[in-house]
Formats: sequence, C-alpha cells, structure tokens
Amino acid sequence: LAKTTQPISMDSYEGQEVNITCSHNNIATNDYITWYQQFPSQGPRFIIQGYKTKVTNEVASLFIPADRKSSTLSLPRVSLSDTAVYYCLVVGNYGQNFVFGPGTRLSVLP
Amino acid sequence: DSGVTQTPKHLITATGQRVTLRCSPRSGDLSVYWYQQSLDQGLQFLIQYYNGEERAKGNILERFSAQQFPDLHSELNLSSLELGDSALYFCASSVESKRALNEQFFGPGTRLTVL
Repeated sequence: LAKTTQPISMDSYEGQEVNITCSHNNIATNDYITWYQQFPSQGPRFIIQGYKTKVTNEVASLFIPADRKSSTLSLPRVSLSDTAVYYCLVVGNYGQNFVFGPGTRLSVLP
Repeated sequence: DSGVTQTPKHLITATGQRVTLRCSPRSGDLSVYWYQQSLDQGLQFLIQYYNGEERAKGNILERFSAQQFPDLHSELNLSSLELGDSALYFCASSVESKRALNEQFFGPGTRLTVL
C-alpha cells in the first residue's frame, strides 16, 4: 500500500485559494489519487480523483506531476464552510484497503 | 444525504457487553465498508463486504465481526467491549468492489460510548 504524507494542518482566509499537497513516493502504476473531505462528526465525502496531469470538477482541481510521486488538491476561493479535514488516499485499481492517513485539518478564517 | 443509513445513531453500553451496528447501503450498491474513527487513531478501515462475501479485511479485532445479508444490509458486531472501543463507526457503500476506484458514500455514523 502506498503511504501518503500531507501537512497536519493549514490555515487560510476566506476568498483565498488553498493548495494541499500530498506525497506518495511509492505509488504504483495502477494507483489513482483520491481526496475526501470530512466535517466534524460526519462521514468523509468524495471530492476528486485523478491518475495524472490535471483533473477539475465543480469544487476542486487536482494536479499530478509526471512522476506521480505527489499531488496537490486546489480549492479555489475557500469559504468558512470549507473548514474540514482533507484526506489524500492512493487507491489501486483492484486495491482493497482504503487507508486514510491523519489528513490535513484546514481552518478557514474570516 | 449520502443515501447510506446507519442505526442506531448513538449507543451507550458497558464494558464486556456486545452490540450490533446496522448499515443499509445506497440502493444498488453491492459493496459495504466499515470504518472506526477514534480521536487518537483517525479513520481506520475495518472490513469490506461485496454482495454478501467478505472482500477485504483491515484492522479489525477478533472481538469484532461483520456480515452482509442477502438484502445487502450489513451488521457489525462488537463483543467483549472495552473502553477503547468507544468511537464513531462509519459504514460506506459503493457500486462494486472489484474496482477499488469506486467512490465510497459514507453514512452518518454510529457513536459508541463504552462506560
């Protein structure tokens, strides 16, 4: 299983762009990078998933360099409601265990 | 609302007791996952079932067991409870299992307190 490393916490202000980077040095060829968001006392919620280059959806963008040893989740113009824990996961195509690391606790300040 | 339901929402019990947590997956989802989240351990994957069969096992204690029924709902049984079992237990479901890329939809969780 590819181990991921991400910052424990980050602070930002409303309206700013937030970039959270995740390292996954031993990612395998068939692995995808997936991000989940979790609010207190709620289950995690899928944000975005990608394999290489850039993926964008209505809430976030995911940037993956060519060597795929890291990835960056980009949240445009964050609001107070984006305060949450963000988890980076590396998931194999036929993988089994979903390993959630400690995540990054993002605090958005007014 | 993810479409995944879990009961009960809260459960308070004593050490040594046994409890059963129930999960109903989203309509059409064949795969069910169980997770434990405690303050000091983060979100830990316990076990996964696909269409009634165990598919993957994570950090699940021998005192814990689970099953998925023909109607696809799942139950997590926790026995000989200890204080350290106090945690939030989440159930998640996804469309299928063989492709682990499927997005998981999480339920609201069951908060277990062991006194």
